[in-house]
Amino acid sequence: GAVVSQHPSWVICKSGTSVKIECRSLDFQATTMFWYRQFPKQSLMLMATSNEGSKATYEQGVEKDKFLINHASLTLSTLTVTSAHPEDSSFYICSATVAGVADTQYFGPGTRLTVL
Amino acid sequence: AQSVSQHNHHVILSEAASLELGCNYSYGGTVNLFWYVQYPGQHLQLLLKYFSGDPLVKGIKGFEAEFIKSKFSFNLRKPSVQWSDTAEYFCAVTNTGFQKLVFGTGTRLLVSP
Repeated sequence: GAVVSQHPSWVICKSGTSVKIECRSLDFQATTMFWYRQFPKQSLMLMATSNEGSKATYEQGVEKDKFLINHASLTLSTLTVTSAHPEDSSFYICSATVAGVADTQYFGPGTRLTVL
Repeated sequence: AQSVSQHNHHVILSEAASLELGCNYSYGGTVNLFWYVQYPGQHLQLLLKYFSGDPLVKGIKGFEAEFIKSKFSFNLRKPSVQWSDTAEYFCAVTNTGFQKLVFGTGTRLLVSP
């Protein structure tokens, strides 16, 4: 149980284009989803917290206009990297908590983004 | 602000050796503590968690961790590692509101057969 998927698993795009990453909870409803970024050989850094039906809460230093987050349903959150640049290349990971049980986050497999 | 330190960045062990990975956190209030594992090519999986009660927590695959409040520590242990334990291990902490999970930098464990 508590499976989270991400799509795509990897993407390569040109500088200046936008990329959308999907995060789905497959077997549970997730009122809250989180988006992380992981740099090579470093830890996960929380980018934003997304609650279904409301605006995402971004961490300090994360550009909300660049990293657009939409959490339109209890099973889907999307992260759109707008006008991507090479420095946005990274591993993006989402997680979700089960509705009504907020104490544990379940993680997706991650999306490797490479911006040329 | 909360922070988590994992002092061992790389650990190499032979099979059957005992394992202890250090984790220290910095936070003045009540915390909830987690250990996650990331096997090569896989996503983060929960190993164990501590919220309250018995400070010695048992998790999956024979892992355990001990919460020592006075030392702000939550070290992960396993008496006898296997080759399949080769992975990266992350300690994480959140406050009682479970609002923000703060991760340590991770420890890469390599178990040689």
